[in-house]
Amino acid sequence: NAGVTQTPKFQVLKTGQSMTLQCAQDMNHEYMSWYRQDPGMGLRLIHYSVGAGITDQGEVPNGYNVSRSTTEDFPLRLLSAAPSQTSVYFCASSYRGVNDEQYFGPGTRLTVT
Amino acid sequence: QQPVQSPQAVILREGEDAVINCSSSKALYSVHWYRQKHGEAPVFLMILLKGGEQKGHEKISASFNEKKQQSSLYLTASQLSYSGTYFCGTVMSGGYQKVTFGIGTKLQVIP
Repeated sequence: NAGVTQTPKFQVLKTGQSMTLQCAQDMNHEYMSWYRQDPGMGLRLIHYSVGAGITDQGEVPNGYNVSRSTTEDFPLRLLSAAPSQTSVYFCASSYRGVNDEQYFGPGTRLTVT
Repeated sequence: QQPVQSPQAVILREGEDAVINCSSSKALYSVHWYRQKHGEAPVFLMILLKGGEQKGHEKISASFNEKKQQSSLYLTASQLSYSGTYFCGTVMSGGYQKVTFGIGTKLQVIP
């Protein structure tokens, strides 16, 4: 198993550009989530999904969209990048829902200039 | 609401013990513990569920006081490999499907 994969590893965007961060898992996990990590602020939940076709907002959803058309993939879209979205983004998945071990991807380091 | 972790940072010598605390003002269903090394992704340590069930690594010890909404992670006979930032995450009672993480406790183990 490849586990949780994320692409790209690094990205630089200009303010106003849009892009999609990719996340995939090959463990047949139902629950997937996106976090952003900023210095001194821990991990903050952006969006999550409890299964294909079902998504919901986390703590900091503004400026981001998600979809879950398959069990494997959970892309995160930045609609119009802002410098405040400069962060490290982690995707995670778990087999039996939120109260189960989450496996984190390696992260994407995004800089918005 | 974000759980509160204490201490924010701690330095240990190899072989010493440490306790990291996590508290919430909300009624909790579960508490999750993860460790993150610099430049890497968080790694699962343990989940403690309301009712006493625990899932996690055998060498990790933790407690969950359901009445006080508090959890503690016990690190005994620390090793250099224990260094990193420890995060607690909480899931509120009531069927919530979100983990809310604290800001972390930075642990450094020195020889």
